Parts: sequence; structure tokens; C-alpha cells
Amino acid sequence: NAGVTQTPKFRILKIGQSMTLQCTQDMNHNYMYWYRQDPGMGLKLIYYSVGAGITDKGEVPNGYNVSRSTTEDFPLRLELAAPSQTSVYFCASSSPSGRLNEQYFGPGTRLTVT
Amino acid sequence: GENVEQHPSTLSVQEGDSAVIKCTYSDSASNYFPWYKQELGKRPQLIIDIRSNVGEKKDQRIAVTLNKTAKHFSLHITETQPEDSAVYFCAGRNNQGGKLIFGQGTELSVKP
Repeated sequence: NAGVTQTPKFRILKIGQSMTLQCTQDMNHNYMYWYRQDPGMGLKLIYYSVGAGITDKGEVPNGYNVSRSTTEDFPLRLELAAPSQTSVYFCASSSPSGRLNEQYFGPGTRLTVT
Repeated sequence: GENVEQHPSTLSVQEGDSAVIKCTYSDSASNYFPWYKQELGKRPQLIIDIRSNVGEKKDQRIAVTLNKTAKHFSLHITETQPEDSAVYFCAGRNNQGGKLIFGQGTELSVKP
């Protein structure tokens, strides 16, 4: 199993541009999450999903959108990028029937908005 | 909603000493408390976790204790080694969709 994969690894955006961060998991996990991690800070939940077709806001959803059309994929969309969205983005997944909801993280996407 | 506070933000110890990191949580309904280790430039990885029906759990050199009454839990690392140097995050689980609320992180430095 590849686990949780994210693309791209790095990206530089200009202010006002849009992009989609891709996240795929091959563990058949129902739950998926998007976090952002600012330098020297903790992980803040942006959006999460408990299954295909279901998404919900986390702690910091403004400026982002998500969709969950399949169990495997959970893309994160940034519209009108702002410098405040410069961060490292981590996708994670877990299973409600798995080991105590352990979350498995992807390798992260480092995004810079200038 | 849940709020998790973590202390200290930085911790420096000598190799072989013990390290303790403490977290408090606000939601008395939270029932699962994992600890993640994040090495520089890497993804967070689970190192130990505890459920609310257990007071203590140990795995080799690491242990976690939970005080439900006081709503705090702690990570204990004994006989620290340089490879323990990393950022450690605690978290509390909100029952909605298994989502975790993370503490701010503790940067642990183990000096040889």
C-alpha cells in the first residue's frame, strides 16, 4: 500500500491564483482530513470528511473548499490565494473500525503565496 | 469545541535524562488522546495513544498518563537519545468524525 499520497510536493502561487491540492489514500479509509501547519506551529484542521459525499468544516475553513466524490480522493481547493495561506498542508486518513482512529498522514505539500 | 493546550513549547535535556510534556484539554467528552512525533521536514507519526478508560500506557521508553478529573495528560520519555529530538504534538479527539484537535507542539532537543 502507498498509504496517503499528496501532490504536488511544492508549489509557488501568485496572489489571486487558484489551485487544487490532491490527496489519495489506498487503505479504504472512510475518514479523511486536511490540516495546515504554519512554521513553528501546530496542525490546524481545515476540512474533514466521514465518507464519500460528506464534508464538514474544521477550525480554519475560510478560503478553502473540498469535495469527496470517491472514498480514495479528497482534494483541497484554494480560490484567490492569499499570503496568509502560505503553509505546509497535510492530508490524513483514518478508519472508524481501525486502530482507535489512528490518523495516517501524507508527506505534505509546501505552498508559498507571493 | 475542544481546545488543547500544550507545554512547554521547547524542552532541552541531556542524553539519558527524562523528558515530560504536558497537555490539557477542555472537552470532558473527549475520549482519545494520541501523541505524534514530527521530525524536521517529515510528516507527523503516531508514537503512543491512550483512551479515556485507561490511566496509563507504556511502550518501551515512552509512556502516557491521563488524569480525566483534571483533564490533562502527559508524555514521558525516559533515557532520552539524540534521535528523540523532534517536535511532539498531543491531540484530543472530538467524537465528530474522529477529528483531532492538536496542541501547539513541543520542540524537544536531546543533547549528547
